[in-house]
Amino acid sequence: QVQLVESGGGVVQPGRSLRLSCAASGFTFPSFAMHWVRQAPGKGLEWVTFISYDGSDESYADSVKGRFTISRDNSKNTLYLQMNSLRPEDTAVYYCARVIGGYYDSSGFLYWGQGTLVTVSS
Amino acid sequence: EIVLTQSPGTLSLSPGERATLSCRASQSVTSSYLAWYQQKPGQAPRLLISGASNRATGIPDRFSGSGSGTDFTLTISRLEPEDFAMYYCQQYGRSPITFGQGTRLEIK
Repeated sequence: QVQLVESGGGVVQPGRSLRLSCAASGFTFPSFAMHWVRQAPGKGLEWVTFISYDGSDESYADSVKGRFTISRDNSKNTLYLQMNSLRPEDTAVYYCARVIGGYYDSSGFLYWGQGTLVTVSS
Repeated sequence: EIVLTQSPGTLSLSPGERATLSCRASQSVTSSYLAWYQQKPGQAPRLLISGASNRATGIPDRFSGSGSGTDFTLTISRLEPEDFAMYYCQQYGRSPITFGQGTRLEIK
């Protein structure tokens, strides 16, 4: 079965960096685009970033552009989110998510990880 | 950026009743690229509907989606106790992908 397992969250001071990982299993990871979505405590969902199946295309929310970088290692079936210059408003649960179909499919996010909490505080 | 506005903010109904949730977009949603999610406390969101009206795998047929352009609706025909949760709409047709602010469906 499809599994997405995030790791790397924790407490970090403002201005510091953190890298999240999302280990994928149960499907052909190199064939699927991936996304990161976050949810601040008690708030709604916010899309963060996308990477195409082969890593050739990326897009970012304005709130993280220039600070966050998405990447993937298809040989390790792992998705990453490098977060630099962290701010208190980046505090959230971060989810990795996969769309329904592979390659250039545009669809809702069918599979989600359990999330990893990032807290930015001094 | 396409802004999605969900209404009502909170919907109070009883089991067995029909629920109608609305999602209005600030611009037309490309190719009806509109999804609905259910989220319960402490859990990841669950995809209910994709492409405005296509139920995701394993979703009961009491959930249905409709609409096009700027106006979309999620209908739950007969509420079960496990349906009381938060619901979000999402457009994925134009970057940035955006979510609505959510509708809380609570037991009356």
